[in-house]
Amino acid sequence: KAGVTQTPRYLIKTRGQQVTLSCSPISGHRSVSWYQQTPGQGLQFLFEYFSETQRNKGNFPGRFSGRQFSNSRSEMNVSTLELGDSALYLCASRQGFEQYFGPGTRLTVT
Amino acid sequence: QQQVKQSPQSLIVQKGGISIINCAYENTAFDYFPWYQQFPGKGPALLIAIRPDVSEKKEGRFTISFNKSAKQFSLHIMDSQPGDSATYFCAASMLYNFNKFYFGSGTKLNVKP
Repeated sequence: KAGVTQTPRYLIKTRGQQVTLSCSPISGHRSVSWYQQTPGQGLQFLFEYFSETQRNKGNFPGRFSGRQFSNSRSEMNVSTLELGDSALYLCASRQGFEQYFGPGTRLTVT
Repeated sequence: QQQVKQSPQSLIVQKGGISIINCAYENTAFDYFPWYQQFPGKGPALLIAIRPDVSEKKEGRFTISFNKSAKQFSLHIMDSQPGDSATYFCAASMLYNFNKFYFGSGTKLNVKP
């Protein structure tokens, strides 16, 4: 099976802009989670979707939002970008106990 | 409040040695404890995981030891190799409560040849 794929892999945006990141889970996986990874804060949970419904949300401002489509693909949106949003954004899909991560999207905000 | 505390932050081990990384947690509701390995430029990869009904799990050179009463678990890498040089993360979750994973801060392992 193909692994979790994320697009784009790299992105440079300007402060104040918005960005949309995409994630395709492993075939058959219905749960998709998003994480932000930074050197200072480590891996932080953003939110989790299952069957198009957000089931859980981390402690991030409302500028961070997401959605999941009927084919389990997911998108994450960040509006009004801030310099501190520069990070590696990781998507993970899960079936059963095991969670598998994609390669991430490296977002740089200038 | 950090739910999972990981130590050490960095670790240098000679080839063939044993690498040991420790994690501690507070929430007794956690019931799934995975370890992930991350190489630069890559996403974390699931390495090995344990549930609290067993005290040890071994897969090849990787072993998780779990101490439920102490609320601690550790990763042992036997016969460490330079190819094991990576950042390792422990994590914990409550699988039947919407699957929110809490990660440790990571340990950067450097195995010297």
